[in-house]
Amino acid sequence: SSELTQDPAVSVALGQTVRITCQGDNLRTYYATWYQQKPGQAPLLVISGQNNRPSGIPDRFSGSTSGNTASLTITGAQAADEADYYCTSRDSSGNSVMFGGGTALTVL
Amino acid sequence: VQLIQSGPEVKKPGAAMMVSCKVSGHIINDNYIHWVRQAPGKGLEWMGLLDPEDGETMYAEIFEDRLIINADTSTGTVFMELSSLKSEDTAVYFCALSTVATRHIFDVWGQGTLVTVSP
Repeated sequence: SSELTQDPAVSVALGQTVRITCQGDNLRTYYATWYQQKPGQAPLLVISGQNNRPSGIPDRFSGSTSGNTASLTITGAQAADEADYYCTSRDSSGNSVMFGGGTALTVL
Repeated sequence: VQLIQSGPEVKKPGAAMMVSCKVSGHIINDNYIHWVRQAPGKGLEWMGLLDPEDGETMYAEIFEDRLIINADTSTGTVFMELSSLKSEDTAVYFCALSTVATRHIFDVWGQGTLVTVSP
């Protein structure tokens, strides 16, 4: 498959741990990259590569991959983490980029 | 590094649009510039990329016949032109920067430009 599949919506209680997943055959070859997008804002890079966080991204965000599934884990979710989360990867040619459909995270 | 995009536009179906993205605080030739769009209430969609160093472009298959991305390296500005506009092209268009080492990771984003296609 040349698609990335995400659950449309996920919820988590404040302070609890949540895992947002992204499935796709290309994830067996390429790492997923994760972006956070809040309403009316541009996306923000949160995780890239094996598990790399840009400067300024809290360490409660982490990434992992198993088989064809990449996961973004938020350990101790905060109200500020409520946002849409998108995964990306290279396509099967390795040249283009594809996005998952996005997951809307609600922090209860 | 900052990416500053041009302002919102309203276009007629069949027309062409052009959005600019000025890179400040960095040498444009050292990076790739991508374009990503987001229709109202929808997800993100990758459109294509430009290597300003040599003008190499790569476009998503669905845009190949009507998308042009180029740059004026003297001003550090990248341009995205989409032609034969349809109502479905109404979206916020983002430019994003990636490094040579991590070509497909968007480290910095522009603020977005809303383009509305309406009769």
